[in-house]
Amino acid sequence: DAGITQSPRHKVTETGTPVTLRCHQTENHRYMYWYRQDPGHGLRLIHYSYGVKDTDKGEVSDGYSVSRSKTEDFLLTLESATSSQTSVYFCAISTQQGYEAFFGQGTRLTVV
Amino acid sequence: TQLLEQSPQFLSIQEGENLTVYCNSSSVFSSLQWYRQEPGEGPVLLVTVVTGGEVKKLKRLTFQFGDARKDSSLHITAAQPGDTGLYLCAGQGGSSARQLTFGSGTQLTVLP
Repeated sequence: DAGITQSPRHKVTETGTPVTLRCHQTENHRYMYWYRQDPGHGLRLIHYSYGVKDTDKGEVSDGYSVSRSKTEDFLLTLESATSSQTSVYFCAISTQQGYEAFFGQGTRLTVV
Repeated sequence: TQLLEQSPQFLSIQEGENLTVYCNSSSVFSSLQWYRQEPGEGPVLLVTVVTGGEVKKLKRLTFQFGDARKDSSLHITAAQPGDTGLYLCAGQGGSSARQLTFGSGTQLTVLP
């Protein structure tokens, strides 16, 4: 257990509503990541953080924003959810960027 | 964008059989990682290979990094039902040096 907690684990929301997913770590790792996983696409990086208030975009960042006000928490926000954002979202942490990643259990988000 | 192609996408075999999963790219990676993911869970790191030509063994699993560091393979000997899962390769380095690039995965089912 890498000490990563994602919440909620499941969520159903309506198109156009804002949604925030939370990732909490107890490992004090510097790097945190948000990925989405869709059939046939593997894991795609949405945003990542390399420290408190330091974040950057990943491969599929459109429609998503993030915030990291504390080392242990990394929030992913969908400002106005769309059906294309229905996916399983994973948070991950690592000690170095691009190094071995430890993943949370995922959040299954359905946008109807 | 770097791409990692995994093959086969799906593999269903009988207990006791051997199998090989491939991970190929046109890009050179500093290192390559293999993860296994079970339903409802996040990926779990199996191994990291760093040196071209490197071979690592983990019980019945053998991982190899290509000499040119563009490809990797995972060989499982005498597969067991407990090996069932989604196997993901992930490359670190290359043109996007700091990020992990994930393959789309190989879904392995081992039938008893």
